[in-house]
Formats: sequence, structure tokens, C-alpha cells
Amino acid sequence: DQQVKQNSPSLSVQEGRISILNCDYTNSMFDYFLWYKKYPAEGPTFLISISSIKDKNEDGRFTVFLNKSAKHLSLHIVPSQPGDSAVYFCAALLNFGNEKLTFGTGTRLTIIP
Amino acid sequence: GAVVSQHPSRVICKSGTSVKIECRSLDFQATTMFWYRQFPKQSLMLMATSNEGSKATYEQGVEKDKFLINHASLTLSTLTVTSAHPEDSSFYICSALRPAGGIQYFGAGTRLSVL
Repeated sequence: DQQVKQNSPSLSVQEGRISILNCDYTNSMFDYFLWYKKYPAEGPTFLISISSIKDKNEDGRFTVFLNKSAKHLSLHIVPSQPGDSAVYFCAALLNFGNEKLTFGTGTRLTIIP
Repeated sequence: GAVVSQHPSRVICKSGTSVKIECRSLDFQATTMFWYRQFPKQSLMLMATSNEGSKATYEQGVEKDKFLINHASLTLSTLTVTSAHPEDSSFYICSALRPAGGIQYFGAGTRLSVL
């Protein structure tokens, strides 16, 4: 049972435009969400996170939105740059003390110059 | 630079041999490390939680006698795949939990190919 889902395996966006990556979850007990970025042959790199008590968190070009009623979160990257081309994983924490991450399947983002 | 070092990055071995993968936390002491496995086009699946000075906690369906985990120091956890078989071929990746902030930092992963 996939509790964290990224339904788009891939996404292509023109350089300079906004990239929107989506993530849905089924477990309403998740209380912390994270986005990781992964280049080939490298481990995931932490990007940004959001607590379930918030609906938005912004860090530079990256903004994460959380819609708890819809069990949906999204990562916005604006403006998109060629170096943003990577696989993006969303992940969820059941509770902050537990620390076990549940990952989505990832979305491959390609930025077109 | 990398805060978690994982070694080796690639292993090719014969069926029946054992393979040890090391995960080192470079910038902080990690009482908790995690081991994941990733199949092609699938998400990272947590195999076990490695706790310094105590036994690892394995996820359901993961054979603890098959995947031996040792976390002997605050900066090193090892995963040994014992008597590896072709079905164990996969991408194994570790992470270390930074105590302040609760973020996991990942190693670069190990591609295991069992012939």
C-alpha cells in the first residue's frame, strides 16, 4: 500500500517557468513532510519541509504548499533552472519522534533550456 | 560537500558471497541511521533503523539474518548482505539522522549486482 504517491513520473518545464511537483498521501496521521532532490548516482538531498500545522513554507526559489483536507502537497520551483533537473521525492513522517520516512516514487523533472 | 559517506558505490559479486556496505556520518554524530533499498522506478523502501549501541529495528518482511546491521559508533553503520543471491541485486542507500532539526542526510548509495 503506497501511502505517499507521486502520480507524475516525469515533468518537463521550460527554463524560467514555474515547476510544480505534486504529492498525495493517504495517512492523515502524517505530521511532517519533506522534499528531497536526487541526481543520478547520488543520494537524495534535503530541499524543504513543512509541518502539518502550516500550509506554506518558502525558501528562496522553493515553496511547499500543504492542503491537509485534500491530503495533498506540492513543491513550486520558480524560476526553474537547468540545474533543477533531477528526480524529486516527497516524503512523510508519521510523527517527529518516530523519524521513519515514507517516500513517494519520485518525479523526474527536466528543465528545457 | 557530502555529510554522509557511503562505500562502496558499486559492488559486483558472485552468488553466495557476503558484501559489506559502510555508511559514515562525516559532520555530526548520528545515534540513528537508516538503511533503504530502491528498486528501479520505485520509491526508497526502508529496510531497517540502525541504533548506535543497540540492535537494529527491521521493517516487516526484511530478514534480519540476511541483512546484518552493525552501528558500533556514532559515525559508522554497516550493512552486510550475507550469502547474496541475484534477487538481492538492488540499490542500497543509507541515511544519518541529524539530531538537531530531525533531517536525514543520505549517502550516495551502493549498487549491488549479484551474478
